[in-house]
Amino acid sequence: DTAVSQTPKYLVTQMGNDKSIKCEQNLGHDTMYWYKQDSKKFLKIMFSYNNKELIINETVPNRFSPKSPDKAHLNLHINSLELGDSAVYFCASSLGSRRNTIYFGEGSWLTVV
Amino acid sequence: AQSVTQPDIHITVSEGASLELRCNYSYGATPYLFWYVQSPGQGLQLLLKYFSGDTLVQGIKGFEAEFKRSQSSFNLRKPSVHWSDAAEYFCAVVDSYAGKSTFGDGTTLTVKP
Repeated sequence: DTAVSQTPKYLVTQMGNDKSIKCEQNLGHDTMYWYKQDSKKFLKIMFSYNNKELIINETVPNRFSPKSPDKAHLNLHINSLELGDSAVYFCASSLGSRRNTIYFGEGSWLTVV
Repeated sequence: AQSVTQPDIHITVSEGASLELRCNYSYGATPYLFWYVQSPGQGLQLLLKYFSGDTLVQGIKGFEAEFKRSQSSFNLRKPSVHWSDAAEYFCAVVDSYAGKSTFGDGTTLTVKP
């Protein structure tokens, strides 16, 4: 069973479109994250939710809106996609947010053309 | 604000040779430190972590890391590298209060036969 699963794995879309990436974890964790990895492989946290509450919101354009319907799900919706949004987006989860291991999904490759 | 520096962007070693990947951090209190590995096309997987106690920590796949407070370092080592170790390696520090994780820019490891 996949611990952190995200869909779609690959997404190619045109500028200006709106798209969503879904994430689910079956580990019983209470904290979920979205990370962005750019073409240089730099990894930056975007959002973190604990028990459905937003606890970390980095400097991310408000075109990006996370939604956590329950502890096991954290979706990412992106409005008005731009070329610079092309990246790999990783969903992740952990039990708590300090000492415990962060478990990553396999990533969603977003290409904006 | 916390930060992580991985001074080596790319390292090439021969199979069977020893490996050391450097990581320096900046954080005001006792840091929670992690090393993750990312294989091509995959998410990140935890290798090892340090919170307190013994400054030499053992991880999976034969890796170890040593925490040196005086040098603000948490270098990753392996005595004998295998071809399957070729991957991207990330060092991370977690804010012990807010739980925010900051990743280094990564080191790409190439293993020569």
